[in-house]
Amino acid sequence: GENVEQHPSTLSVQEGDSAVIKCTYSDSASNYFPWYKQELGKGPQLIIDIRSNVGEKKDQRIAVTLNKTAKHFSLHITETQPEDSAVYFCAASQNQAGTALIFGKGTTLSVSS
Amino acid sequence: DTEVTQTPKHLVMGMTNKKSLKCEQHMGHRAMYWYKQKAKKPPELMFVYSYEKLSINESVPSRFSPECPNSSLLNLHLHALQPEDSALYLCASSPLRGSNQPQHFGDGTRLSIL
Repeated sequence: GENVEQHPSTLSVQEGDSAVIKCTYSDSASNYFPWYKQELGKGPQLIIDIRSNVGEKKDQRIAVTLNKTAKHFSLHITETQPEDSAVYFCAASQNQAGTALIFGKGTTLSVSS
Repeated sequence: DTEVTQTPKHLVMGMTNKKSLKCEQHMGHRAMYWYKQKAKKPPELMFVYSYEKLSINESVPSRFSPECPNSSLLNLHLHALQPEDSALYLCASSPLRGSNQPQHFGDGTRLSIL
């Protein structure tokens, strides 16, 4: 089955710096890659997603890139702010009945001011 | 604010109790999900409902019993739980069944088993 590896497990940056979180997946049939942000005491919030027919997608300060050949996808956050501090999860899935979102283990991002 | 509402936010129960978790969404989504999340871990899928019918049960023990009364509501009935069942229980919904549809999560019910 699908396996998603996520790195790093923790990331500390200064306010205003960029942050990059990387994920790799194992199943070439996966074609949907969402990213979730989970703040303390809250549920995961979908922040951006990308499908396999697209190489890059941006939404203000966040962007996601996908390299299907290498089975890599990454989350980029620019001009980080303290409120970006949270746990970030990547996930992968296939467009097949009976399959589920497979999550990475998460990255704890700390942005210090 | 999340568009998936879960109640209660916190629940403490003994191993012999029966309780229910509730989830509601008004986005017109036709797929709803239950996940279990332990501290510092990613969510783990438990059940999927599609058009009010159970479509996926990820080998969850029978002490967890899901119910989908209508397209907006999802319940999780709990009975004879074990201490290791203490976790955050998350509900999610998506427009259609299929794991490549965006899933939107509620803020969860924090469950503690004494």
